[in-house]
Amino acid sequence: DQQVKQNSPSLSVQEGRISILNCDYTNSMFDYFLWYKKYPAEGPTFLISISSIKDKNEDGRFTVFLNKSAKHLSLHIVPSQPGDSAVYFCAASPYSGYALNFGKGTSLLVTP
Amino acid sequence: EAGVAQSPRYKIIEKRQSVAFWCNPISGHATLYWYQQILGQGPKLLIQFQNNGVVDDSQLPKDRFSAERLKGVDSTLKIQPAKLEDSAVYLCASSLRGPQGARNTIYFGEGSWLTVV
Repeated sequence: DQQVKQNSPSLSVQEGRISILNCDYTNSMFDYFLWYKKYPAEGPTFLISISSIKDKNEDGRFTVFLNKSAKHLSLHIVPSQPGDSAVYFCAASPYSGYALNFGKGTSLLVTP
Repeated sequence: EAGVAQSPRYKIIEKRQSVAFWCNPISGHATLYWYQQILGQGPKLLIQFQNNGVVDDSQLPKDRFSAERLKGVDSTLKIQPAKLEDSAVYLCASSLRGPQGARNTIYFGEGSWLTVV
């Protein structure tokens, strides 16, 4: 039962443009959401998070938006850079410290 | 600050053999997780420890997988006997506080890549 869904397996964006990665969840008990970035042969690295009391969190070029009513979140990367090319995983938990439920990931390719 | 350490990085074994993975979490992190990531999938939780006690092992195939976290620090994950479908990356992760703590982030190691032939 996939409680966190990333319906786009891949995304290609030109350097300098905006990358938008989407994530949907089904469990209404989730209240903490994170994005992880993964390069080949490395473990996932934490990118940005948002709690359910917010609808937006920004960190430099990365912004996460949360729409609780739609059970949807998105990650915006502006401007996109070639070094952003990686697999991005959306994750959610009912409370931080509880294990994360992951989506299947979206592979982002940023082309020069 | 040192990250989550895992070893070995790569292991190839034949089916029905056994294998063990080791993890050293970030210093001071009370909670330790083992995740399994099969190619093309997101990580799936196998077991979660709070200090040296098990919080959640509902998705651990207990007929072949075992894990322990003696003294509440290092942890080992063992598979015996291995099956072909166990080929995956085994990710160890840790977080500062457990479920009773304030929101905190889970940090991953680089993973142990297992191929069962």
